[in-house]
Amino acid sequence: GDSVTQTEGPVTLSEGTSLTVNCSYETKQYPTLFWYVQYPGEGPQLLFKVPKANEKGSNRGFEATYNKEATSFHLQKASVQESDSAVYYCALRGATGGNNKLTFGQGTVLSVIP
Amino acid sequence: GGIITQTPKFLIGQEGQKLTLKCQQNFNHDTMYWYRQDSGKGLRLIYYSITENDLQKGDLSEGYDASREKKSSFSLTVTSAQKNEMAVFLCASSIWGISNERLFFGHGTKLSVL
Repeated sequence: GDSVTQTEGPVTLSEGTSLTVNCSYETKQYPTLFWYVQYPGEGPQLLFKVPKANEKGSNRGFEATYNKEATSFHLQKASVQESDSAVYYCALRGATGGNNKLTFGQGTVLSVIP
Repeated sequence: GGIITQTPKFLIGQEGQKLTLKCQQNFNHDTMYWYRQDSGKGLRLIYYSITENDLQKGDLSEGYDASREKKSSFSLTVTSAQKNEMAVFLCASSIWGISNERLFFGHGTKLSVL
């Protein structure tokens, strides 16, 4: 079956430093890849998605490139803010017709210190 | 926009008790999901439903039942609560096959079993 593996957390950074959260995936299909973010007390919400290999997605200063050869989708941000403190989930949706499921990674807790 | 409402927000049960969690959505989405969230294990799919009266098992369906009586509602039953169990259950909905496909999540029901 499908699987997603992320950087183990928690990750603690100072404001203004750079962030990388690694994400690797396994699937037999050509997936759509997602990053979700979950703030305290809320459900996860879509940060961005990338449906095609070798394309980049971005939102709110975060970005990730769909690397089909390396089966990776690492999340990066050049300069984090305290408001970025949250849990980040990498996820995939397989490309088989009628596939309505997302498979999530284990989540990475990010804390940004002012 | 729409909203997903989960009730109750907090649920305290006794070992062996049957417990029901409810979810309502007003997006008019076809597909609804129940995920379990545990620290360090990410989001694991319990059940999903692609239309009214449809049920599909996820990876974690053992010990749970689900019911999709109408398009807007999806309930989950813990058939026998396990002692010291603690988890957050997240309901989501989606519509696939269009350019803005994504999951929309509720804020969760936090379960504690005494």
